[in-house]
Amino acid sequence: QVQLQESGPGLVKPSQTLSLTCNVSGDSISSSGSHWTWIRQHPGKGLEWIGYISYSGTTHYNPSLKSRVIISEDPSQNQFSLKLSSVTAADTAVYYCAREDYRGNAPSYCYGMDVWGQGTTVTVSS
Amino acid sequence: DVQMTQSPSTLSASVGDRVTITCRASQNIGNWLAWYQQKPGKAPNLLIYRASTLESGVPSRFSGSGSGTEFSLTINSLQPDDFATYYCQQYNDYRTFGQGTTVEIK
Repeated sequence: QVQLQESGPGLVKPSQTLSLTCNVSGDSISSSGSHWTWIRQHPGKGLEWIGYISYSGTTHYNPSLKSRVIISEDPSQNQFSLKLSSVTAADTAVYYCAREDYRGNAPSYCYGMDVWGQGTTVTVSS
Repeated sequence: DVQMTQSPSTLSASVGDRVTITCRASQNIGNWLAWYQQKPGKAPNLLIYRASTLESGVPSRFSGSGSGTEFSLTINSLQPDDFATYYCQQYNDYRTFGQGTTVEIK
């Protein structure tokens, strides 16, 4: 059974960098067939896709966040991470990591985000 | 960017009702659409991908249809466990979620 677990500081000061890690169990982030994804949800609002890293290390980011986001992986720890720089109060949200089942290089090979972490709340405040 | 617009934002229904949620894409996304259910304080749960393919373990009262720019999620015979918020999500160009539709008890 694949499980994902987010971890990281729950409070970040404005202008600093938000750093979160997603620990993966039951699957290898280095095996083909998955996009390791970050999504966030502002309080009382909808879901916002942040970006993903593929098994090969390729990254894709939401254009609206691209200048501030880095998603990286640590295969030795079987985890992947999110860094969001220059945060403001608008970055206060629940942050989820998820696995997108993606077995090729076209949308026809995508089977949705089938495994999610429980989410972690990050508040940006001084 | 592909924008996803869901309607209605809120839907009031009773147990046993048939409900339909609509999702419209700002451009042609083919069949590359997923639906998720989210309950308060929980992570979303995948229901449907490729517009109409039911994820394993999802009850058959859920169904999806559509292609191009118009999609729908239908729940036949609404059950108490189905009162939740539903999101569509396109994966044709990056990834974008709709704003969500809350199905509440009438």
